[in-house]
Amino acid sequence: GAGVSQSPSNKVTEKGKDVELRCDPISGHTALYWYRQRLGQGLEFLIYFQGNSAPDKSGLPSDRFSAERTGESVSTLTIQRTQQEDSAVYLCASSLALTGVHSPLHFGNGTRLTVT
Amino acid sequence: AQKITQTQPGMFVQEKEAVTLDCTYDTSDPSYGLFWYKQPSSGEMIFLIYQGSYDQQNATEGRYSLNFQKARKSANLVISASQLGDSAMYFCAMRERSNDYKLSFGAGTTVTVRA
Repeated sequence: GAGVSQSPSNKVTEKGKDVELRCDPISGHTALYWYRQRLGQGLEFLIYFQGNSAPDKSGLPSDRFSAERTGESVSTLTIQRTQQEDSAVYLCASSLALTGVHSPLHFGNGTRLTVT
Repeated sequence: AQKITQTQPGMFVQEKEAVTLDCTYDTSDPSYGLFWYKQPSSGEMIFLIYQGSYDQQNATEGRYSLNFQKARKSANLVISASQLGDSAMYFCAMRERSNDYKLSFGAGTTVTVRA
């Protein structure tokens, strides 16, 4: 497809279970970002990738959160032992280049995670 | 400190009228980029318009224009001839080298267009 694709679009899970969220960036985009958006709030940066490397993991809320990227393409965000406060929309975005202030980020439609 | 400040949580505008959404930013980088995104109730983030710190002219994209006042560090979005489909949340955002080019977002402004 032409845009950023995220799956699943919705995920309901029980507290304590692990979840994996997937992101397929726009082909050729070297930079990939994960953001979290709680209901009615702005976007909170989680992590970004340049190629397959994640130079900055400082935005990850806890050690229950991890992310990886392979083949400079698909990325997965994993949340272990989910808690109710993890309920949010998780947005993935990609950009043509990591460096440079002029490239917009192109976002997927997000994964809405609900932890019951 | 907040990098992006949007002071208007919500706004109402009459159809066909113009509306201005405020955005102020904080950076010491000489080179930065400012972006506006639209988020309808469906949730997708739609890129609207970009303004570079070195751009001499205000950016325009169709009915969207950006009122860039560099000395005041403000980048207000103007939507002209509002349409019902413009009802959405609008986010101002900034990329800067000193922040590893991450996109920092404001809290957003909800716009409701009335018929």
